[in-house]
Amino acid sequence: KNQVEQSPQSLIILEGKNCTLQCNYTVSPFSNLRWYKQDTGRGPVSLTIMTFSENTKSNGRYTATLDADTKQSSLHITASQLSDSASYICVVSSVYPVYTGGFKTIFGAGTRLFVKA
Amino acid sequence: DAGVTQSPTHLIKTRGQQVTLRCSPKSGHDTVSWYQQALGQGPQFIFQYYEEEERQRGNFPDRFSGHQFPNYSSELNVNALLLGDSALYLCASSFSGRGGEQYFGPGTRLTVT
Repeated sequence: KNQVEQSPQSLIILEGKNCTLQCNYTVSPFSNLRWYKQDTGRGPVSLTIMTFSENTKSNGRYTATLDADTKQSSLHITASQLSDSASYICVVSSVYPVYTGGFKTIFGAGTRLFVKA
Repeated sequence: DAGVTQSPTHLIKTRGQQVTLRCSPKSGHDTVSWYQQALGQGPQFIFQYYEEEERQRGNFPDRFSGHQFPNYSSELNVNALLLGDSALYLCASSFSGRGGEQYFGPGTRLTVT
């Protein structure tokens, strides 16, 4: 069964501290993995996207890693800020020729991050 | 270049009513996907439209239907609304030839009373 599991479900950290969010997946075939940030009541915004051959990608204070062998990814946030408080969603996609249906995208439930002053 | 836009922003309906939500994709995108996101949950895939046809569908009843227009914009229709249909409805657009990377709109918050 194609699944994406994220941990922890929620996390509280102090401003300025670092944190790491985890994502395990069983989606097959694998095409790419993305991390999104979603503020409450808003649409998700892409942070990083990684394909099978990439094992790390950074976007400012966000660094994502991918281990395609163990089917695990992590999102590391450095020097957290109050504005980092949001849900972080891991999304794994399988891409097919569009005539067969396009692609399959499986979303994790997200990790809710609270950054406190 | 406008990103993905959705309307309306918020909507309140009564059980049994019907609702239509609208989405305009990002410029250059030809594929539109719709998602339902309940409070505290990840988005759940409803269906995807490409070339004005429904190409994929998630595990949602026939009360959920959609349409894509020649300009690639899309509508989501929900009939016979239930309280459980209250959620944030997200539209995502992508270009079929670019690995499916999706760009999300801000969402429509639907409340069914």
